[in-house]
Amino acid sequence: DIVLTQAPLSVSVTPGESASISCRSSKSLLSSKGITSLYWYLQRPGKSPQLLIYQMSNLASGVPDRFSSSGSETDFTLKISKVETEDVGVYYCGHRLEYPPTFGAGTKLELK
Amino acid sequence: QIQLVQSGPEVKKPGESVKISCKASGYTFTQAGMQWLKQAQGKSLKWMGWINTNTGKTTYAADFTGRFVFSLETSASTAYLQITNLKNEDMATYFCARDYFDYWGQGVMVTVSS
Repeated sequence: DIVLTQAPLSVSVTPGESASISCRSSKSLLSSKGITSLYWYLQRPGKSPQLLIYQMSNLASGVPDRFSSSGSETDFTLKISKVETEDVGVYYCGHRLEYPPTFGAGTKLELK
Repeated sequence: QIQLVQSGPEVKKPGESVKISCKASGYTFTQAGMQWLKQAQGKSLKWMGWINTNTGKTTYAADFTGRFVFSLETSASTAYLQITNLKNEDMATYFCARDYFDYWGQGVMVTVSS
């Protein structure tokens, strides 16, 4: 199975500042169709996960453009600019390149 | 709007069975598969498998064979997850999610306790 390693496991951010979360894959996530199969999700406290980013760099519907993502075939970064209260929760990276889809351990974002 | 609404929390004893539902609305049910995921308290997400809502074909992750069954009631736009012979390690929240993980149910907490 593909292992996704996230760092840091937790981050504390002052509202209005930026935050970055890293996700490293044990295998290239570039598909034969030229799509990078890396996704980012936010799970707010007590809620179900919400898709933020699909195919490495595309914002899901309704997601503010304060969120952005970039990377290579194995190393990815989610950036949140001007962090707001509603951004608090656990961020997961995940892939859908092959079975089984797997997820990182999560990065908890808190406000200072 | 697209919604996945799951059934309510469950409390079961070891050895019992549970059946969780996931009712879809806002789109054509048979045009997107349904994924199932497990999340133990404080842990990450674990993919259990998925069901093709058009053909009924199921695919199970290696850790979820035997006691786990995905099924459909297409006329009701509903997918089901049944777990038999419950064990303590089955205690978790179970999510359904539309094929591309773009919409998720609210989750069902299953408590297993004697």
